[in-house]
Order: sequence, then structure tokens, then C-alpha cells
Amino acid sequence: GAGVSQTPSNKVTEKGKYVELRCDPISGHTALYWYRQSLGQGPEFLIYFQGTGAADDSGLPNDRFFAVRPEGSVSTLKIQRTERGDSAVYLCASSSTTGELFFGEGSRLTVL
Amino acid sequence: AQRVTQPEKLLSVFKGAPVELKCNYSYSGSPELFWYVQYSRQRLQLLLRHISRESIKGFTADLNKGETSFHLKKPFAQEEDSAMYYCALPQRGGYNKLIFGAGTRLAVHP
Repeated sequence: GAGVSQTPSNKVTEKGKYVELRCDPISGHTALYWYRQSLGQGPEFLIYFQGTGAADDSGLPNDRFFAVRPEGSVSTLKIQRTERGDSAVYLCASSSTTGELFFGEGSRLTVL
Repeated sequence: AQRVTQPEKLLSVFKGAPVELKCNYSYSGSPELFWYVQYSRQRLQLLLRHISRESIKGFTADLNKGETSFHLKKPFAQEEDSAMYYCALPQRGGYNKLIFGAGTRLAVHP
């Protein structure tokens, strides 16, 4: 059916607030990735899920960032105490185990 | 450390001209490399991967291990090729755990 879906498409928040970004992957894709793209840069890996578990969270910049995928499908990226430097486009992508990576349209986060 | 370098932020050509988008990498071992493309108002998508050795939309890319390069080429650019192009390399630990270059914007003028 549809591709990877991300909500919200745009989020403006104030410094210090909490933010959740949601990703709905392609049905049947077991692997789910979060990337962050800052202005003028390529996407940067944050975290990767295989099923429900975080297989690799080595790209999360600090402990303010956390992600979950409780039922092995939808994932939520959570950012606590947002800072201006967190402003970026957050991209979600999914794939079959070793297949092509399919990206969502991204959630643009602006921290004022 | 693994790294992907795309030295040009912008490449501007006329329709019908040849195009070469440069990508250099640092990696110990035999890498797999990818080119991703993002057209205006569309999502990032895979263009081609070196292991499949295919031509997509007239684009090809050859892995040159001696020069550690994976340049993307097309003999005759079309206006619809205008887009952002990203070269990418898997990090250790995951096929789709990618390191991306900063990207090159290709502008094809009529």
C-alpha cells in the first residue's frame, strides 16, 4: 500500500519542550531506521530497530533522545528538553531485512 | 574512520551535456556504495547500488577501489535529472546503517 508515513510533517516548539515524532513503516518491513538531516548536510543515522528491539542506537546524540517500537510496526522518536540545535528534518525509513531502504517525507522540527 | 565526501555542493549543466557527480570514500575492506536521489518535493529514494552494476535512468556508477571513488555519471543530462544526489556507504553493523555525503545539487538547464 502506502509508503513510509511520518507525522507531523512540521513541528515548531519552544526550547525545553518535549516532542514526539511518529513513523508508520511499510507493512511487513521488519527493519526501521531514524535519520536526522540538518540544513546543508546529508542524513545522519540515529537508531535502527529490528522488530521491536533497538538493534543499534549508537547514533542518538545524547540521552534526551529516545525511540520506541513497541509492537514492531509504528515507531516514535521522543526528544526531551529540546534545544535549538535539535532543529532538523527527522527522517524515518524501513526495509525488509537486507533490502532497499524506503524513506518517509520527514518531520521538520524547529526549536525556537 | 569511515567517511563519504562529495566535493561539489552544486553542479550546473545544460541539457544534453555529460554529468559526473563525484563521490570519494574512506573505508577499510570491500565497501558497498549507494547513490540516493531526492527530486523536488519528493522523498529520498535509492537510485542505484554498485553491487547490482545496473544503469538507472541512464546513470551509472563504477567503484574504483584504487581511487576510493564511486562517481555517478550520465552521458546526456535531462532537465528531469535536476535533484539532490547523495552518495552513501554502510557503516559497520548494518546494511542500511548508512553514512551519507553532504550531497550535490544537480541543476540541468534547458
